[in-house]
Amino acid sequence: GESVGLHLPTLSVQEGDNSIINCAYSNSASDYFIWYKQESGKGPQFIIDIRSNMDKRQGQRVTVLLNKTVKHLSLQIAATQPGDSAVYFCAETLTGRRALTFGSGTRLQVQP
Amino acid sequence: DAGITQSPRHKVTETGTPVTLRCHQTENHRYMYWYRQDPGHGLRLIHYSYGVKDTDKGEVSDGYSVSRSKTEDFLLTLESATSSQTSVYFCAISDRQTTDTQYFGPGTRLTVL
Repeated sequence: GESVGLHLPTLSVQEGDNSIINCAYSNSASDYFIWYKQESGKGPQFIIDIRSNMDKRQGQRVTVLLNKTVKHLSLQIAATQPGDSAVYFCAETLTGRRALTFGSGTRLQVQP
Repeated sequence: DAGITQSPRHKVTETGTPVTLRCHQTENHRYMYWYRQDPGHGLRLIHYSYGVKDTDKGEVSDGYSVSRSKTEDFLLTLESATSSQTSVYFCAISDRQTTDTQYFGPGTRLTVL
């Protein structure tokens, strides 16, 4: 079942290529950022996070870059696989605040 | 889904009827949240809880109430469902002792006719 909007920006990549998904966050005071992956019919799944005292953080096949000057966050996925096809959301918050603020999402389509 | 279950997973109801959605966690996390997800709006916070019997409103709380009588359960109630409440509802949990990360359940798709 479709869980997200029908008019999301879409990034289409070939299997094996690297993917870069971008996000502009809204609050310059935010100090904690998360990337989520959401497959159709499922809940958002945590991928990687980063705090504002860092510019870069690496996980398994994923890297998050944070540019606080321009309030920009990016998610890099190395050697993209068909299983990476999903909608990706960034989320931001301020430590101590209760809620996350989510971006509108980007759909990643991996072509075999 | 980090030990989070939601029930029911799908529900169709009629305008004006009461509806209760349940979120159950096995992680013993203190914080629990209800979000709704709609095309064009992303995920929006409805209500959250920071402990048993401690709850507060999110940005889209009108028409919804919540209750938390046990650490593991967080209930979302639509007292009189309206068509504008047709949505996918997600529960999330976090411990906030070591991280602010929220982990999400599988969602409940609610249709109000």
